Amino acid sequence: NAGVTQTPKFQVLKTGQSMTLQCAQDMNHEYMSWYRQDPGMGLRLIHYSVGAGITDQGEVPNGYNVSRSTTEDFPLRLLSAAPSQTSVYFCASSATRNEQFFGPGTRLTVL
Amino acid sequence: KQEVTQIPAALSVPEGENLVLNCSFTDSAIYNLQWFRQDPGKGLTSLLLIQSSQREQTSGRLNASLDKSSGRSTLYIAASQPGDSATYLCAVRETGFQKLVFGTGTRLLVSP
Repeated sequence: NAGVTQTPKFQVLKTGQSMTLQCAQDMNHEYMSWYRQDPGMGLRLIHYSVGAGITDQGEVPNGYNVSRSTTEDFPLRLLSAAPSQTSVYFCASSATRNEQFFGPGTRLTVL
Repeated sequence: KQEVTQIPAALSVPEGENLVLNCSFTDSAIYNLQWFRQDPGKGLTSLLLIQSSQREQTSGRLNASLDKSSGRSTLYIAASQPGDSATYLCAVRETGFQKLVFGTGTRLLVSP
């Protein structure tokens, strides 16, 4: 099993550009989540999904969109990038409400 | 609103010492608590998961305890090694919610 994979590993955007962060898992987990990690603020939940076709907002959803068309994939879309979205983004998955597994992260810089 | 606190923020010990990392949370209505390790520039690696009905979990040199009523968890590391140097994060999953609420971590340095 590859576990949770994320692409790209690094990305630099200009203000106003859009992009999609990819996340995939091969463990057949129902739950998938996106977090951002910022210095001094810990990890904060952006969006999550409890199954294909079902998504909901987390703590800091503004400026981000998600969709879940398959069990395996949970992409995160930045609609119009802003410098405040410079962060490290982590995708996670779990079965039911059990142990969460995290991907390696995407380091995003918005200029 | 659930808040998770980890003390100390940083800890430096010589190799071989036994050490304890602390995690406290404000709302005892949790489903489970999970300890993670994060190496610089890397993702989170799950260490231990404790369900709300459990008191402790062990994996190798690691032992995590949970006292839900007092809102506390500890991670005990026996015979520390330089390879244990990392940031340790605890996170609680609230009853009925999918999200994990994270502490800001304890940065551990084990010197040879």
